[in-house]
Amino acid sequence: FLLTQPPSVSVAPGQTASISCGADNIASQSVHWYQHKPGQAPVLVLYDDSERPSGIPARFSGSNFGNSATLTITRVEAGDEAVYYCQVWKSGDGHPRGVFGGGTKVTVL
Amino acid sequence: EVYLVESGGGLVKPGGSLRLSCAASGFIFSNYNMIWVRQAPGKGLEWISYISYTSNYIYYADSVKGRFTVSRDNANNSLFLQMNSLRVDDTAIYFCVRPNRDGPLHFDSWGQGVLVTVSS
Repeated sequence: FLLTQPPSVSVAPGQTASISCGADNIASQSVHWYQHKPGQAPVLVLYDDSERPSGIPARFSGSNFGNSATLTITRVEAGDEAVYYCQVWKSGDGHPRGVFGGGTKVTVL
Repeated sequence: EVYLVESGGGLVKPGGSLRLSCAASGFIFSNYNMIWVRQAPGKGLEWISYISYTSNYIYYADSVKGRFTVSRDNANNSLFLQMNSLRVDDTAIYFCVRPNRDGPLHFDSWGQGVLVTVSS
C-alpha cells in the first residue's frame, strides 16, 4: 500500500497551498498529516482527514475523496515552510502497519 | 505536557547492536500503545514498530523484522528498541512516538529523536 505525494509545492506568502496524497480508494482510510521542519520533531497538523489538534490554526484544513486526500494551507506564512507527510494506519489484513507518504516540501517564495 | 526523550544512539559498525531507550512522562504510559518511527538522511518518515500497552501485540516493518525487538517497562515508563545485525541503511534518526488511544492510529506526540549511525 503506497501513498503518493508530489515532491514539492511552491507558494507565495498569503496564497493557498494544496498538497495531495494519493492511493487507490484512499477515501476508505483515515488520513493524517504531519509538518516536519529540519532539526525538529514532526508535528501532527490534521487527523482523521480534517480534524485539527489543539493549537493548529484554522488555516490548515483537509479533505479525503475517492483516490486522493488533500491538505490545504490558506494564507500561507513563512513559518509554514516544511515537509508535509500524509499517513494512514493499515489494519484488517493481519499485518497492521503505519504507512507514510514520501513527503512534500512546501517552499514559501 | 507529554515528554518523550530518546537515548542510546551513536556510531556502530555494520553487524553490530544498539539499544535505544525512550523515557516517557506527562501521561499514563501504561495506558498507551507506543510506536517507533525513523528518518534516514535525506529520506522521508518510516514507521518501524508498534507495541501495545500490555505488550501483547507487537508489529514490525518488513525492513527491520527479525533484527529489531521492541519492548517496554510500564513500571518505569520506558520504551526500548533493541537493534541487532545493523546495516548501513539503518542509519537514521529514530523517534519515539505516542499514538492516539482510540480509532485509526495517528501519531500525537513525538520525541526529538536520536541519531543512529551505522558505518565502518
